[in-house]
Amino acid sequence: ETGVTQTPRHLVMGMTNKKSLKCEQHLGHNAMYWYKQSAKKPLELMFVYSLEERVENNSVPSRFSPECPNSSHLFLHLHTLQPEDSALYLCASSQDRRLASYNEQFFGPGTRLTVL
Amino acid sequence: TQLLEQSPQFLSIQEGENLTVYCNSSSVFSSLQWYRQEPGEGPVLLVTVVTGGEVKKLKRLTFQFGDARKDSSLHITAAQPGDTGLYLCAGELIQGAQKLVFGQGTRLTINP
Repeated sequence: ETGVTQTPRHLVMGMTNKKSLKCEQHLGHNAMYWYKQSAKKPLELMFVYSLEERVENNSVPSRFSPECPNSSHLFLHLHTLQPEDSALYLCASSQDRRLASYNEQFFGPGTRLTVL
Repeated sequence: TQLLEQSPQFLSIQEGENLTVYCNSSSVFSSLQWYRQEPGEGPVLLVTVVTGGEVKKLKRLTFQFGDARKDSSLHITAAQPGDTGLYLCAGELIQGAQKLVFGQGTRLTINP
């Protein structure tokens, strides 16, 4: 138990569906992250939020839409996804955005997404 | 091409053997981290190395950061089945705010 929870743990959706992934951190952190982990690629950073403001978007397609209503919650809204978007989506949090050598990221267990 | 290359990608050995996993790059990092990820879970941080040439030990695990801060290695002595998992290295690029780039991982299996 890392203090970061994600729901749902598994999700199967069609290409025309709209769904949302939820992340909650109970650590009092101010920075939150979405990562994508697929079988054939390294873990990829998608979005970064700091104090509820999006500070980084790593060229992610617009069919992925993040939302951070407060410092404890992070959502990833999904619509018209493609089969190649099937992957494990991981949420992480850290105290702030100082260098990682001072500031560990804690990961949630991930949501395993399958797009049919 | 990937910024961080891990080798080997897959390793299956017998309990009690020693092993080394490598993480290499042509880029310089301000720090480098090693994580272990088990099925159904997110990565968990094992260690962060910051200084070139630094060596850190965590029980049977020894981590080394290269002198030029471009590469790192993880050595496990007398591997046990509990060491099984996906080992990820992640480098922090030298810039103002935290941004990690990950290697593709080494999937390690220790057979009893």
